[in-house]
Amino acid sequence: GENVEQHPSTLSVQEGDSAVIKCTYSDSASNYFPWYKQELGKRPQLIIDIRSNVGEKKDQRIAVTLNKTAKHFSLHITETQPEDSAVYFCAASPPYTGFQKLVFGTGTRLLVSP
Amino acid sequence: EAQVTQNPRYLITVTGKKLTVTCSQNMNHEYMSWYRQDPGLGLRQIYYSMNVEVTDKGDVPEGYKVSRKEKRNFPLILESPSPNQTSLYFCASSSPNKETQYFGPGTRLLVL
Repeated sequence: GENVEQHPSTLSVQEGDSAVIKCTYSDSASNYFPWYKQELGKRPQLIIDIRSNVGEKKDQRIAVTLNKTAKHFSLHITETQPEDSAVYFCAASPPYTGFQKLVFGTGTRLLVSP
Repeated sequence: EAQVTQNPRYLITVTGKKLTVTCSQNMNHEYMSWYRQDPGLGLRQIYYSMNVEVTDKGDVPEGYKVSRKEKRNFPLILESPSPNQTSLYFCASSSPNKETQYFGPGTRLLVL
């Protein structure tokens, strides 16, 4: 089955710096890759996602890139702000599951210091 | 207000005592899922359902049962809970037109 590895497990940056979180997946047929943000004590919320037929997607300060050949995808946050501090989870969805079967990485705790 | 609700939010129980965690959504979503979250392990999918009476196993289905008799409800059943099922449980729902899964507030379960 699918396996997703996520690095780093913790990331500390200064406000205004960029942050990059990387994930690798094992099933080359996986076709959907979402990123979820979970603030302390809250539920996970989708922040950006990408399908396998797209190489990059941007939404204001966040972007996701996908390299299907290498089977890895990354989350990029520019101009980080203290409110970006949270745990970020990547996930991959195997085919033929309507994007509903999700295999998550173990999470990255991002701390943005003022 | 569009939402996913879970009950109870907190539960302490003892080994072997059957329990049910309810999940309900009012967004008319066809898809629903259950996850457990454990420190260092992230989110792991237990079961998901793509329609009424259609359920599939996620990565960690052992020790859990689900049923989807109505579109809006997707209860999680622990027939004989064990301490290793102590965890934070999330229900989620989504529609076929959008991949976004909307998570409920979570249920924190402690099995003694």
